[in-house]
This record gives sequence, structure tokens and C-alpha cells, in this order.
Amino acid sequence: DIVMTQSPLSLPVTPGEPASISCRSSQSLLHSDRYNYLDWYLQKPGQSPQLLIYLGSSRAPGVPDRFSASGSGTDFTLKISRVEADDVGVYYCMQTLHTPPTFGLGTKLEIK
Amino acid sequence: VQLQQWGAGLLKPSETLSLTCAVHGGSFSGYFWNWVRQPPGKGLEWIGEIYHSGKVTYNPSLESRLTISVDTSNNQFSLKLHSVTAADTAVYYCARGLRRGISPRYGLDVWGPGTTVTVSS
Repeated sequence: DIVMTQSPLSLPVTPGEPASISCRSSQSLLHSDRYNYLDWYLQKPGQSPQLLIYLGSSRAPGVPDRFSASGSGTDFTLKISRVEADDVGVYYCMQTLHTPPTFGLGTKLEIK
Repeated sequence: VQLQQWGAGLLKPSETLSLTCAVHGGSFSGYFWNWVRQPPGKGLEWIGEIYHSGKVTYNPSLESRLTISVDTSNNQFSLKLHSVTAADTAVYYCARGLRRGISPRYGLDVWGPGTTVTVSS
């Protein structure tokens, strides 16, 4: 299985400050169609995960433009330009290029 | 689109876990329908998916115990996991998956509320 490695595992952030989460995969997620099959999810406390970013860098409908993502191949980054209190939860990256799809262990964002 | 899921929440070891997910308010065809689970306090594990045509893909780690089926007439899909053990205790989610043409699947964009399943003697 493809191993997804996220860092950091815990991320305390002051409101208004930026935040960044790294995700590395054990194999390339770049398909011949030139898309990276890497998604980002946020699971808020007590809720189901919600899709933030798909295909490496495309924001899902309704996701604020404070969230952005980049990367290609095996290295990816999710950035929040200005963290708000509502952003707390666990962020997961997920690769879907290889079967089975696999998730990172998650990064818990908390407010300082 | 909303997903409604249901099934037995308490099982004994060796029994069969059975969950169903109903799709309300949107098209059933053209999407992949997934099951994902989350053990208590842990991360997410992809279980498997089914296309509206009935084509299934399973996680190899669960394949020998797993059956995912679809009922297109009622816009529902189901999960059966046989011979459960305590290690199968988790919150089980159903989710809609996206796909563009013949490219790989991506983006679980709609999720059900989750069903807590506990396996205990």
C-alpha cells in the first residue's frame, strides 16, 4: 500500500496566523493525465470528514480561498493563509491513484 | 445530495456487519460509492467502492471478508463484512466518490453521518 506521511502531527496556531501541513507519498501520485491524485480533508470534532481540496490543488465548492494546496509527484502542501477558530480539527491527505486509496495519519490543528 | 446510513451497531465476534447507505437528492449513476471506516481515536481506512454498474473494488486487506453491493432501483448501496472481530470496531462512513471519464477516482465529496459499530462478546 502507498504510505502517506503527514507532518506535523500536531499544529497549534494563533488565529490570524498562517498554517502549513506537509504530505508525502511513498510513490508518485502524478497520473499520465497530468493530475495529481491527492485530496485533502478536514474532520471537525464530532463530524464526518469534508473534502477541502481535490486533484492536488482544486478547492471543493464552498471552501474558503484561505485554503490552498500545491505540490506534485510525492510532495504536497496544504496552506491556510489566516487560521480561524472554525478551522480546528484533523486534516488528512488521501491518495486515490493507487489501489487501495490510503490516508495520512492526520494533522490535528488547534488554536493557541 | 445527502447520504443516509443505517445498520446494526453492536455485534458479537464472528457475526456479519451489515450497513446500508441511501442516496437522496442527487444522481446515483456516474459516481463511485465508497465505504470508509475510522477506529476509535484513529485515522481513516478506505474499505471499498462500487460503481452504479456494480463494478466493485475492495481493499485487499479486507477483500476476503467483504461484500459491497448496489441497489440502483432504490439508490442504495450496502456493505457486508463477515467474521468480524474487535479490530473491526469503528465508525463506518459511506461517501460519494468522483471520477472523470476513464481517469482514476478522486475526491470523496459527500459523506454520510457515520455509523458506530462495536464488536464485543
